[in-house]
Amino acid sequence: QSVLTQPPSVSAAPGQKVTISCSGDSSNIGNNYVSWYQQLPGTAPKLLIYENNKRPSGIPDRFSGSKSGTSATLGITGLQTGDEADYYCGTWDGSLSAGGVFGGGTKLTVL
Amino acid sequence: QVQLQQWGAGLLKPSETLSLTCAVYGGSFSGYYWSWIRQPPGKGLEWIAEINHSGSANYNPSLKSRVTISVDTSKKQFSLKLSSVTAADTAVYYCAKVHWGSNVLYYYYHMDVWGRGTTVTVSS
Repeated sequence: QSVLTQPPSVSAAPGQKVTISCSGDSSNIGNNYVSWYQQLPGTAPKLLIYENNKRPSGIPDRFSGSKSGTSATLGITGLQTGDEADYYCGTWDGSLSAGGVFGGGTKLTVL
Repeated sequence: QVQLQQWGAGLLKPSETLSLTCAVYGGSFSGYYWSWIRQPPGKGLEWIAEINHSGSANYNPSLKSRVTISVDTSKKQFSLKLSSVTAADTAVYYCAKVHWGSNVLYYYYHMDVWGRGTTVTVSS
């Protein structure tokens, strides 16, 4: 059971928009920045979004992030078949079990 | 541009000790934390531990009793040992570079560079 909660799967057609949610609590998302990672099949995760809404160099602006309270959202517009991947949210958890935490991952299917 | 190269034994028997090393090429070694994350087959990511150049480390409480993380700054390498492995430790193990710090309001924590992963299988 992951500390952060994500939907197992989402789907949308090419060209459409999709959002992926990530829910936590005050010990993690509520008081820390959120990051998002894309994992294409058979590859290592890749940083997509950091500090809630910042994109590393090379990440297109089709990808966006936001945070409100103890939840965060990843948005992807103009879906492409190459976006089909697993997406993970992550942050720091400052509770007694302090450490890095991830969501369980969301499989994006581009229909 | 930082790159991470990792290596270690890929097949272990139950009760043996997993040993992995990650080398950092390019960029600064100090000023960051260096982490290990694993992913069991068909499952999500699990943070294992992290360490900085001075040896300050944090551990996943569920694994802490079996994990040792160490650093060799002269070689720009960090290592993971996981003792008494079982089939439940079968996973792809990744090393990663961690940005961790805080501003006035929040902690930021993200991994911007990842190794390619090492598949570790525990089987008798």
